[in-house]
Amino acid sequence: GQNIDQPTEMTATEGAIVQINCTYQTSGFNGLFWYQQHAGEAPTFLSYNVLDGLEEKGRFSSFLSRSKGYSYLLLKELQMKDSASYLCAVRDSNYQLIWGAGTKLIIKP
Amino acid sequence: EAGVTQFPSHSVIEKGQTVTLRCDPISGHDNLYWYRRVMGKEIKFLLHFVKESKQDESGMPNNRFLAERTGGTYSTLKVQPAELEDSGVYFCASSQEHGRSAEYFGPGTRLTVL
Repeated sequence: GQNIDQPTEMTATEGAIVQINCTYQTSGFNGLFWYQQHAGEAPTFLSYNVLDGLEEKGRFSSFLSRSKGYSYLLLKELQMKDSASYLCAVRDSNYQLIWGAGTKLIIKP
Repeated sequence: EAGVTQFPSHSVIEKGQTVTLRCDPISGHDNLYWYRRVMGKEIKFLLHFVKESKQDESGMPNNRFLAERTGGTYSTLKVQPAELEDSGVYFCASSQEHGRSAEYFGPGTRLTVL
């Protein structure tokens, strides 16, 4: 079966750095996405990795290792507004998005 | 540019009733997707339209669910008759190029079946 694993919840301090991990086992791989979702709102696209390595976009970076079936989302200089759920999703061989359950990130002052 | 919109934002119905959800994708996006998130579980794919055609409906749970996209613009998802297990948040997303670009999501419709 297809499986995406990520921690259920993480806590970090304002101004700090946090890394959210995602491991996946899917039938095929056509890219990995990270989305941010505030409660009651739409998932918002953050990043896309299809090749191994690090993609940096401002305070957010995403890393991919296809051989290990592993990705992480790195958030720097955390702000209170970064409190949200972070969803990892993989596009499989049928180009369907397979989703993790999301990581709830709590930022404390 | 307007994002993906969905209507209604919330719907509460009784078991056995019918509900129709609507999605308006981003203008110019040929690809439209429906997803569902049941409480406490991950988002699950339901189906994918390219313009007015159903490209992939492998995620539709059963024949009580009917999706349409007449004219290739907005889409509707009808649940008839609704069952308790249909409760959840129904998301719509759209993209320019399937498999090559990100999918942009609407705010979702929270459906509660009593």
